[in-house]
Amino acid sequence: EVQLLESGGALVQPGGSLRLSCAASGFTLSNFAMSWVRQAPGKGLEWVSAISSSGRSTYYADSVKGRFTISRDTSKNTLYLLMNSLRAEDTAVYYCAKDLEGTDEALLDYWGQGTLVTVSS
Amino acid sequence: DIVMTQSPDSLAVSLGERATINCKSSQSVLYNSNKKNYLAWYQQKPGQPPKLLIYWASTRESGVPDRFSGSGSGTDFTLTISRLQTEDVAIYYCQQYYSTPYAFGQGTKLEIK
Repeated sequence: EVQLLESGGALVQPGGSLRLSCAASGFTLSNFAMSWVRQAPGKGLEWVSAISSSGRSTYYADSVKGRFTISRDTSKNTLYLLMNSLRAEDTAVYYCAKDLEGTDEALLDYWGQGTLVTVSS
Repeated sequence: DIVMTQSPDSLAVSLGERATINCKSSQSVLYNSNKKNYLAWYQQKPGQPPKLLIYWASTRESGVPDRFSGSGSGTDFTLTISRLQTEDVAIYYCQQYYSTPYAFGQGTKLEIK
């Protein structure tokens, strides 16, 4: 059974940093593209970042480019999102999600339960 | 960047009736080489992550009831729920996965009338 378990969300001050983790089970991370999607309180979904199945390509929304870094550790079957220079507008639940088999374009068939990041002083 | 716009923002439908949600992309999401529309629909219930319902504009995900159907091509798409059930109350999002940034629509809140 595919499972995705996010962790690392916390209250952080503006300008601070945080690293989110997404532990994957039931499938091999290195065979699938993965994404991070966020949802601000009471708002809609915003795609944040993706990493290709090969791991060689990464993609970012303009709102986080230069501040966030997506990566993975295939030995730990874990996806990461390193977030620097955090702003109040980064406050959201962050979901990790897996691409549908055979795709590499953020067609997301499994999602974690999310982890809450709050940026506030 | 491709912008996704859904209509309406909210919708109230009687049980057993049809619900229709529209999604328009600012550019075509039809990939000419494979004739596939890179358009998905997700359902999100309160306190839960989104759930994939439809992809390639009209392919139902495994386990999704057949009262859910997707249609459209190019820039205009529709999600139809043929006979509304109480468990269908949710927010529905369309998403293009044609090109980065992979944008979602703003969401359509579906309620029972």
